[in-house]
Amino acid sequence: GAGVSQSPRYKVAKRGQDVALRCDPISGHVSLFWYQQALGQGPEFLTYFQNEAQLDKSGLPSDRFFAERPEGSVSTLKIQRTQQEDSAVYLCASSQESGHGTQYFGPGTRLLVL
Amino acid sequence: GENVEQHPSTLSVQEGDSAVIKCTYSDSASNYFPWYKQELGKRPQLIIDIRSNVGEKKDQRIAVTLNKTAKHFSLHITETQPEDSAVYFCAALAIAGNQFYFGTGTSLTVIP
Repeated sequence: GAGVSQSPRYKVAKRGQDVALRCDPISGHVSLFWYQQALGQGPEFLTYFQNEAQLDKSGLPSDRFFAERPEGSVSTLKIQRTQQEDSAVYLCASSQESGHGTQYFGPGTRLLVL
Repeated sequence: GENVEQHPSTLSVQEGDSAVIKCTYSDSASNYFPWYKQELGKRPQLIIDIRSNVGEKKDQRIAVTLNKTAKHFSLHITETQPEDSAVYFCAALAIAGNQFYFGTGTSLTVIP
């Protein structure tokens, strides 16, 4: 079946611009995670949803970052007033179970802030 | 919180040789340890995982070992092939939350 999809795949933004990144998890997956992956580094946790509830947002680096999953399926990660240090690949992952389930990753959105 | 360290950062092996990548973790309550393979520009793909109730798990040429006492786990790839070339990430799941903590990655190159 279809895996996790993300859009756009690439985004170039001018510093100060707002961006919205979309994640379509595998259908029926309860858990959804957002990660930030800098070049040459491992993914770093941003936030976690169980259905529509955002249970953990401790990894969001600042209040410019906001995520939502209003109907418990598609999720959007929004970054306001982008800064150059926001440039990274943003990965979304979903899991069938809550907590300890295997996570399946999307292809990521590569964000470049100029 | 959890801290995962991974070594080496780069690894080159001749085709057919074995490759070993090691990770340590700090949170003794972590109990799930997946390994992901990431080819350039592509998504991380789960290749094997282990839970803390077992010490070793094998899947064809890939095996993972876990030492809970020492808080380290290792990925073993035998009979390496050029298509094994990629970046490999270990991760640990913190029980207190739902966060996966990833290592910094190992870039494996298999030389034909």
